[in-house]
Amino acid sequence: ETGVTQSPTHLIKTRGQQVTLRCSSQSGHNTVSWYQQALGQGPQFIFQYYREEENGRGNFPPRFSGLQFPNYSSELNVNALELDDSALYLCASSWSSGSLGETQYFGPGTRLLVL
Amino acid sequence: EDQVTQSPEALRLQEGESSSLNCSYTVSGLRGLFWYRQDPGKGPEFLFTLYSAGEEKEKERLKATLTKKESFLHITAPKPEDSATYLCAVRPGGGGSNYKLTFGKGTLLTVNP
Repeated sequence: ETGVTQSPTHLIKTRGQQVTLRCSSQSGHNTVSWYQQALGQGPQFIFQYYREEENGRGNFPPRFSGLQFPNYSSELNVNALELDDSALYLCASSWSSGSLGETQYFGPGTRLLVL
Repeated sequence: EDQVTQSPEALRLQEGESSSLNCSYTVSGLRGLFWYRQDPGKGPEFLFTLYSAGEEKEKERLKATLTKKESFLHITAPKPEDSATYLCAVRPGGGGSNYKLTFGKGTLLTVNP
């Protein structure tokens, strides 16, 4: 069974640039969630994708956008990067069936530094 | 709004010294409470899911328990390799934002040999 993978592992960008982060979900999972984790903080929910549609969104501006593909992999795009966007970006996959709180399994993360 | 508070923020133990981490939460209809372990610079590693008050789960030296207002992660006879940040998260039930996890800030556990 393949776990959640993310690419790239590290990324350095300058303010105002755009970035795309990628995530491959765990085998058999159909839902992908993205989180932002600042240093010393818990992960903050950005949004979730289910069946290629955005299923919910946290308190992040529209310059944070995403996609989910038919194979359940996903992308997180961030436009007009700001210094505060520097963080660890985590992708989590799960199997959603509408019943109990489905467990989310996390990838290793992408460390983004905005200069 | 859902809230998760973890205490203490940091805990230093000697090898073999048992202790507990606390996770207090307020959520509209709990659909699940989750414990994760996170090593520096890595993604959270799943440990336990608890669904209802009174539920307990164990894995090696770890035991998680749940009440209507809080959860405890008990660590028995810890080893240095148990050193990590332990994160607690809740998922609300009902309508609204039941798709997302709300995390606490975590407890940084250090186990000295």
